[in-house]
Amino acid sequence: RKEVEQDPGPFNVPEGATVAFNCTYSNSASQSFFWYRQDCRKEPKLLMSVYSSGNEDGRFTAQLNRASQYISLLIRDSKLSDSATYLCVVNPTGTASKLTFGTGTRLQVTL
Amino acid sequence: SQTIHQWPATLVQPVGSPLSLECTVEGTSNPNLYWYRQAAGRGLQLLFYSVGIGQISSEVPQNLSASRPQDRQFILSSKKLLLSDSGFYLCAFRGGSYEQYFGPGTRLTVT
Repeated sequence: RKEVEQDPGPFNVPEGATVAFNCTYSNSASQSFFWYRQDCRKEPKLLMSVYSSGNEDGRFTAQLNRASQYISLLIRDSKLSDSATYLCVVNPTGTASKLTFGTGTRLQVTL
Repeated sequence: SQTIHQWPATLVQPVGSPLSLECTVEGTSNPNLYWYRQAAGRGLQLLFYSVGIGQISSEVPQNLSASRPQDRQFILSSKKLLLSDSGFYLCAFRGGSYEQYFGPGTRLTVT
C-alpha cells in the first residue's frame, strides 16, 4: 500500500462548481498534513495546512479524519485559475521532518 | 521573509557529463534543506536532506550526491549523468510547522 494515495483524476468541472478531493494515508501515527498546489512545470506551493478540527481559507476547506486516515480538500465556486494538480502531503511522526507526497489529483476547470 | 533560489532553471546535458545544481536560502538560519526529483508525470521523490552544515542523509541509492558547504547552501552533484537522471529537480526548506517551501526548480534533460 502506498504511504499516501490520491485519485489522479483528471477532474473536469465547469466554472462555479464545487469539487472535492480525498487522500488516504497509511501511517496512523502521522501528525502533520498539508495540501499543495502544483501548476504545470512549476514548483509545488503550499495551499493550506490541515488541522484536526478542519479549516477553511476562502473557497477552500480542508478536513482530516484520523479514524479513517483520510484528508479532504473542498473547493467551492471553482475558478479557471484553480486548474492545477493538488498534492496531498503527510509528515509521518519520527521521520526527521520529512514529508511524503501523494502523486496528485489533477483539476481542470472549464468555461 | 524567507526566499529560496535555484539555478540554472533549465539544463541540457549529455550522458556521462558532470552535474552541479545549486540552491540557496535567504532569511533563515540553520534550515532543514531537501532535494527532490520529479520525473515526468510522476510524484516527488526525496533524494537527500540535510539538518546542518556537512550533514547529508541519502534517501535512495543512485548516481547523485549532495553537499552542504554553508548553512544556507545545498548542492546536488553527479560525476556522470545517466539518461534516467532527467527530471525536475526541486530544492526545499522546512518551515516552522513541518511544511516545506520549494525553489523554482531545475529542469534537467540528459541526452
